[in-house]
Amino acid sequence: SQKIEQNSEALNIQEGKTATLTCNYTNYSPAYLQWYRQDPGRGPVFLLLIRENEKEKRKERLKVTFDTTLKQSLFHITASQPADSATYLCALDMKDSSYKLIFGSGTRLLVRP
Amino acid sequence: DAGVIQSPRHEVTEMGQEVTLRCKPISGHDYLFWYRQTMMRGLELLIYFNNNVPIDDSGMPEDRFSAKMPNASFSTLKIQPSEPRDSAVYFCASTGVREQFFGPGTRLTVL
Repeated sequence: SQKIEQNSEALNIQEGKTATLTCNYTNYSPAYLQWYRQDPGRGPVFLLLIRENEKEKRKERLKVTFDTTLKQSLFHITASQPADSATYLCALDMKDSSYKLIFGSGTRLLVRP
Repeated sequence: DAGVIQSPRHEVTEMGQEVTLRCKPISGHDYLFWYRQTMMRGLELLIYFNNNVPIDDSGMPEDRFSAKMPNASFSTLKIQPSEPRDSAVYFCASTGVREQFFGPGTRLTVL
């Protein structure tokens, strides 16, 4: 069956450390993978997109990797801050031209001051 | 641009009533998506439109749900009759490239 898995338990880290969130999928072949941030009571906000032929993408303190062999994406936030506390969602963006996304359930990140 | 606009932000209704959720996408975006988010099921795609035409409604849970997009700047999601299990946050999103822009959502409570 098709699955997208993100850590269901919250990730609790100290300010200044690097947060690493995982997104694993099975029986999908995405052309792209996207990461979103969601704060309580708000809609998801787009952060980064990585293509299947890209190994790594960076934006400021954010880094995403995409391994199509392992069927896994890792999302890193370096020098984490309490303001980074939120739920982070990965989304598979398929090879068709539909722009339809399939979202994981999200991982909640808590950054302690 | 004001971003994706949704109304109402909160809706409380009684079982059996009709509910209409509204969405105004970002101007120039060709795709519009309706999602539902619950703790149990996460963020689920209900239906999406391309150039005002419904493309895929396979996520619509039942015939009680319907969606329309009469023009490029307006879409509705209707539930008739509503049931308590429809309680969720409903999001509208639009895109012109790949990344999606979400509205603030409508929190629906069906008593």
